[in-house]
Amino acid sequence: EAGVTQFPSHSVIEKGQTVTLRCDPISGHDNLYWYRRVMGKEIKFLLHFVKESKQDESGMPNNRFLAERTGGTYSTLKVQPAELEDSGVYFCASSQLEGYGETQYFGPGTRLLVL
Amino acid sequence: GNSVTQMEGPVTLSEEAFLTINCTYTATGYPSLFWYVQYPGEGLQLLLKATKADDKGSNKGFEATYRKETTSFHLEKGSVQVSDSAVYFCALRPRGFQKLVFGTGTRLLVSP
Repeated sequence: EAGVTQFPSHSVIEKGQTVTLRCDPISGHDNLYWYRRVMGKEIKFLLHFVKESKQDESGMPNNRFLAERTGGTYSTLKVQPAELEDSGVYFCASSQLEGYGETQYFGPGTRLLVL
Repeated sequence: GNSVTQMEGPVTLSEEAFLTINCTYTATGYPSLFWYVQYPGEGLQLLLKATKADDKGSNKGFEATYRKETTSFHLEKGSVQVSDSAVYFCALRPRGFQKLVFGTGTRLLVSP
């Protein structure tokens, strides 16, 4: 069974440009999460989808970030326009269950550098 | 609020040495606790978890015990290997929520 995949693995863009990150969760997983790690600091939660609905978007930093999950399958995270402080590693995770039994499976991350 | 504090790295050890990586947390209620590991070039992998006080999570020779009285979840291994070199993240999931709250990560370097 394939794990969580993310594309691209690396992206280098200039300030003001737009970047779209993609996450393909494990097949059958209804829960999909986005996290990011900035400048070697802690990994921070961005948002949580249940199927195609946004369950919790309390971690989204501002309205330059837009996440979608059309059809409840893969998800995209668009940053428009990108700023220097958006540089970091963006992780996607998926899970099947809720509560104590839940295990979130993470992808390898997308490393974003904004110049 | 909810937060996790980990010891600063890097932690540098020789092969077969004993490992402890400290983790303490602040949370409302009784969270679930996790250790994730990130090997070079890979994503985060769940290493072990504990869902209630006094639970011990264990995997691949690593152990951590959920200590409510000290709000801690320290990671230990009796004899580390070079292949254990990675970044280790302590995390909690607040009760009633699904998002994870992570610490800053601790890099472990094991030399032969």
